[in-house]
Amino acid sequence: DVKVTQSSRYLVKRTGEKVFLECVQDMDHENMFWYRQDPGLGLRLIYFSYDVKMKEKGDIPEGYSVSREKKERFSLILESASTNQTSMYLCASSDNRDRVYFGAGTRLSVL
Amino acid sequence: QKEVEQNSGPLSVPEGAIASLNCTYSDRVSQSFFWYRQYSGKSPELIMSIYSNGDKEDGRFTAQLNKASQYVSLLIRDSQPSDSATYLCAVRVGGGSEKLVFGKGTKLTVNP
Repeated sequence: DVKVTQSSRYLVKRTGEKVFLECVQDMDHENMFWYRQDPGLGLRLIYFSYDVKMKEKGDIPEGYSVSREKKERFSLILESASTNQTSMYLCASSDNRDRVYFGAGTRLSVL
Repeated sequence: QKEVEQNSGPLSVPEGAIASLNCTYSDRVSQSFFWYRQYSGKSPELIMSIYSNGDKEDGRFTAQLNKASQYVSLLIRDSQPSDSATYLCAVRVGGGSEKLVFGKGTKLTVNP
């Protein structure tokens, strides 16, 4: 079974902190994604990566950056966390342009 | 216009009925369409994918695609209480892009 592992299920951070959300997949997938999910707004794509060191902006990249130094790991970085970044963050990966596998999610609260 | 739009719901059907979920998309060159199910507090999971016009059946689920109308739907026959979840329509936008865009989802409740 494909496994997408997010490093934390719950995180509480302070405004202005630099926050790292880590995601690891174990199936040698080319593509990895970061989404955030908010009530009434659905799943929104922040960034995605189709290869090591390659990244593309999604629909809401402002305030975020990403890093993909190794194929299996895709990190989401909040340079200076703000309260409007309080959300559920979902990492996902895919290979054959068909099935996308999601991690369990990280619920981030920024106080 | 948002790229992927779904009925806002919520949708409530009795057990055994047919649940019909609808989705429209704006990118005419999209070729890949998906339905995901998300239980409360869980991550989305893929239940159907469809690439060609027409119907695709998998057990109690039927996905329907009409590219001319830019419309994709999901029918759930003999609905069960365990089908109660939020259903997300997703579209891989653009001809060669990996970008997968989701609708806001429709919450389905199946009443025993």
